[in-house]
Amino acid sequence: GENVEQHPSTLSVQEGDSAVIKCTYSDSASNYFPWYKQELGKRPQLIIDIRSNVGEKKDQRIAVTLNKTAKHFSLHITETQPEDSAVYFCAATVFNKFYFGSGTKLNVKP
Amino acid sequence: GAVVSQHPSRVICKSGTSVKIECRSLDFQATTMFWYRQFPKQSLMLMATSNEGSKATYEQGVEKDKFLINHASLTLSTLTVTSAHPEDSSFYICSARERASPETQYFGPGTRLLVL
Repeated sequence: GENVEQHPSTLSVQEGDSAVIKCTYSDSASNYFPWYKQELGKRPQLIIDIRSNVGEKKDQRIAVTLNKTAKHFSLHITETQPEDSAVYFCAATVFNKFYFGSGTKLNVKP
Repeated sequence: GAVVSQHPSRVICKSGTSVKIECRSLDFQATTMFWYRQFPKQSLMLMATSNEGSKATYEQGVEKDKFLINHASLTLSTLTVTSAHPEDSSFYICSARERASPETQYFGPGTRLLVL
């Protein structure tokens, strides 16, 4: 099955700085890559996604890049704010099944 | 937007008993529902895929006789943890997908199970 690796496991940044989270996947058939934000004890919330025919997508302070050849994709958050603090998960989708990365705990210090 | 509910939100049970968790899509028909398990500070692990009217497909390493899944209608899937033991304690989350948007999954709020 698909194997998704995510780094770093924890990330601490100062408010206003940028944060980058990276994921790799193993199955070249994966064609959809969503990113989720999860606050403690709550359900994951989709924040941005990218499809395999696109290299980059941006939504305000959040952007995602995809390198199909290298099988890796990244989440970029600019001008971080304390409310961005949460756990972020990447996922790769193969035949409409989601396989999640191990998560990154982002802490934005005021 | 699409809403998925889960019931109960938390449950405490004695070892050896069975626990049923419901996942409902409230405003759309879910052709497929997924069940995930999440340990504290860990990722979501896909347990099984449930298609309406057919048997669930389980991921490798997940005991189908232990985790019974039923998807009897387009709006309801149930996960029954049979003969629960303390190691089954976890956060169980379902998600639902509608036919029109096969790539989008709507997550339920999760059920926290504690087996004593």
